[in-house]
Amino acid sequence: GAGVSQSPRYKVAKRGQDVALRCDPISGHVSLFWYQQALGQGPEFLTYFQNEAQLDKSGLPSDRFFAERPEGSVSTLKIQRTQQEDSAVYLCASSERTSGMFDGELFFGEGSRLTVL
Amino acid sequence: GENVGLHLPTLSVQEGDNSIINCAYSNSASDYFIWYKQESGKGPQFIIDIRSNMDKRQGQRVTVLLNKTVKHLSLQIAATQPGDSAVYFCAETLPYGGFKTIFGAGTRLFVKA
Repeated sequence: GAGVSQSPRYKVAKRGQDVALRCDPISGHVSLFWYQQALGQGPEFLTYFQNEAQLDKSGLPSDRFFAERPEGSVSTLKIQRTQQEDSAVYLCASSERTSGMFDGELFFGEGSRLTVL
Repeated sequence: GENVGLHLPTLSVQEGDNSIINCAYSNSASDYFIWYKQESGKGPQFIIDIRSNMDKRQGQRVTVLLNKTVKHLSLQIAATQPGDSAVYFCAETLPYGGFKTIFGAGTRLFVKA
């Protein structure tokens, strides 16, 4: 596709509900990142994939957060038993970075804004 | 730690003036830096990048300066325009541990007409 696509753009969940956020990266991009951005803050790293391999999940705040990228393209971030503190914008980014590359632009989607009531 | 911080949370400049946005990073091993611009309701957009083996890089109306001695990064915007109003983030990438990119808290730039 032309850019990184995220859905849904807006999600309202009741506390305790499970949510799933989808990311379609730019076609051919090997690397995929998820970030969490609270209001007025910078994006906080959650997790990183290279193809289907999740190489770093050190930023996931708890075991309620789970991310997958089973075929190395589309990725899903799942949040179980949502809490109010999970309210944030969840950003997905993809990159041409491959193994051994630490540079290269991250292309971001517009984010999924999650509000937990 | 690995956090990238910013000196000023907000910056207000007159249209046509030059803007300077500063950033301090804490990890001397960081090898690659990017400045991003984020407008309301949108994802961060790449502005300019610089590798640690450089101390200056210029783009169209923007210049990034890197001072590794004091671990300082700055973004200079020439002839600031109303369309430059946004939040600006600096980000660093470590050359290990999966090469994740870490963002600072951001500086909001207001351009007065």
